[in-house]
Amino acid sequence: TQLLEQSPQFLSIQEGENLTVYCNSSSVFSSLQWYRQEPGEGPVLLVTVVTGGEVKKLKRLTFQFGDARKDSSLHITAAQPGDTGLYLCAGAMDSGGSNYKLTFGKGTLLTVNP
Amino acid sequence: NAGVMQNPRHLVRRRGQEARLRCSPMKGHSHVYWYRQLPEEGLKFMVYLQKENIIDESGMPKERFSAEFPKEGPSILRIQQVVRGDSAAYFCASSPRLAGGPTTGELFFGEGSRLTVL
Repeated sequence: TQLLEQSPQFLSIQEGENLTVYCNSSSVFSSLQWYRQEPGEGPVLLVTVVTGGEVKKLKRLTFQFGDARKDSSLHITAAQPGDTGLYLCAGAMDSGGSNYKLTFGKGTLLTVNP
Repeated sequence: NAGVMQNPRHLVRRRGQEARLRCSPMKGHSHVYWYRQLPEEGLKFMVYLQKENIIDESGMPKERFSAEFPKEGPSILRIQQVVRGDSAAYFCASSPRLAGGPTTGELFFGEGSRLTVL
């Protein structure tokens, strides 16, 4: 059973378009992180959200944590080819001592064509 | 400041051989985590270590897998008698303190070691 479902699995768009990718679960997470992973590389952390309803912006990227802390979305405005990569969401279920034990989704593979 | 260093980047083993994967955390980081990414699967937690201590190995397979983080030197993930199902990318991450709580410490991932078992 996959605790974190990411959609869409694949997304191919043209430069300049907007897009939203989703991360959904039936479980509640104490915090949720978004990573970007390029081929042959390790995941790089983009953002951590911890409060239900929280919205964080990172340049053209907007991250939202659902009110119930079960889901999250990543919106990219005016996508650029450099945004191409695998976007992973990862949730931590314990706000105590084991927040390192992240549950990862399978990711959304984004391709931005020039 | 060097990031998390993993080696080898690629490793090929035949069934029954041993695989040793090494991880040097970022300077100043004393917490190391190993994750495994199987084909078509998400990253899955394996083990959390501090210097000379295994803190949480709840994600480690019960047999053939072991991990250590000695006082000196890198952390090592060891897989004995490898089987084809062990083929995966193994990622190491480090953090300067326990990753947890509202001010979650960031996990810094290495580039991974890709194990192929023939």
